[in-house]
Amino acid sequence: EVQLVESGGGLVQPGRSMKLSCAASGFTFSNYGMAWVRQAPTKGLEWVATISYDGSSTYYRDSVKGRFTISRDNAKSTLYLQMNSLRSEDTATYYCTRAPRDWGQGVMVTVSS
Amino acid sequence: DIQMTQSPSSLSVSLGDNVTFTCEASENIYGFLAWYQQKLGKAPKLLIYGATNLEDGVPTRFSGSGSWTNYSLTISSLEPEDIATYYCQNNHVYPLTFGSGTKLEIK
Repeated sequence: EVQLVESGGGLVQPGRSMKLSCAASGFTFSNYGMAWVRQAPTKGLEWVATISYDGSSTYYRDSVKGRFTISRDNAKSTLYLQMNSLRSEDTATYYCTRAPRDWGQGVMVTVSS
Repeated sequence: DIQMTQSPSSLSVSLGDNVTFTCEASENIYGFLAWYQQKLGKAPKLLIYGATNLEDGVPTRFSGSGSWTNYSLTISSLEPEDIATYYCQNNHVYPLTFGSGTKLEIK
């Protein structure tokens, strides 16, 4: 059974940094591209970033380019999202996904002073 | 960026109804279209991929159709557990844009 378990969320002040992790199990992690998708409170889904199976290619939405970094450790079957210079508009539940079918339960990130 | 326009934004329905949602892409996405169901407080669940392919385990009352820029999701004979918000997603080109969602409500 595929499991994706996010961690690392919480309350952070604007301008500060936070790193999310996603521990994957139940499949060969190193064979699959992975992504982060977020959802602001009461809003729709928003794709954030994707990384290729080997980490050689990454893609970001414009609003996070230069601030967020997606990465992976295939030896640990773990996906990461390093978020710097956080803004109030980054407040959301962040989902780790082996798109399109497998999703984690999500982790909440609140950016507020 | 490819814009995904979903309509309607909300729909008031009765159990047993046949329901159709539409999703229009701002340019051709060559059938690279997924439909998701999301219930309150839960992660999205994949229903349809490649515009027409039913995901394993999804009831056959769900079906997808469309091509080029116009796509639709149909639920035949709505069940209580189908009350949710439904999203389409462009999986053709980055950024992988989602539609704004259609929320189903009971009349």
